[in-house]
Amino acid sequence: EADIYQTPRYLVIGTGKKITLECSQTMGHDKMYWYQQDPGMELHLIHYSYGVNSTEKGDLSSESTVSRIRTEHFPLTLESARPSHTSQYLCASSEHHATNEKLFFGSGTQLSVL
Amino acid sequence: LAKTTQPISMDSYEGQEVNITCSHNNIATNDYITWYQQFPSQGPRFIIQGYKTKVTNEVASLFIPADRKSSTLSLPRVSLSDTAVYYCLVGDSGSQGNLIFGKGTKLSVKP
Repeated sequence: EADIYQTPRYLVIGTGKKITLECSQTMGHDKMYWYQQDPGMELHLIHYSYGVNSTEKGDLSSESTVSRIRTEHFPLTLESARPSHTSQYLCASSEHHATNEKLFFGSGTQLSVL
Repeated sequence: LAKTTQPISMDSYEGQEVNITCSHNNIATNDYITWYQQFPSQGPRFIIQGYKTKVTNEVASLFIPADRKSSTLSLPRVSLSDTAVYYCLVGDSGSQGNLIFGKGTKLSVKP
């Protein structure tokens, strides 16, 4: 079973606050991802990383930033939260094989910005 | 990246076999086909992956025809707990760098 952890599980915060969503994995996976998902909707890729010191933007501009200083840690930061950021944020990791990649997801962080 | 098309929703009853078909007409030579399951308020979970012909594990079977332009996820004897959204992904992450989820198929299993 995959070991990937996200904290907090739920977060309610006021507009304008800076927040960091944590994601850690203990599998030694090189690739890590952040997806955003609204209820009943598809997942949108917002950031990903190939490994330490690598960060890439995904298809959705979410006004967030990520860092990858350690293999196991891939935090997501919102500098100034807005109500439009209210969503579920899902972190994932994988062993980076060229073709048959398998993603392992965390349980997600449900963010509500008031 | 190959785009996928799946039915938006399907209904079934407990004990039935469910087949969900995914179309991926532009699949590339290096692409694998991967299916994930997602329950409400949880992250997707890997179910099965294949390249061609048939793959079977303890959860499901995956059928891929010779032209690889479609694939069918088969869930034997579904139960209420199989109610979830099922996603079909096709891609070569080695060259593109990411995997794209579509809208998925919402499966509702009724008693």
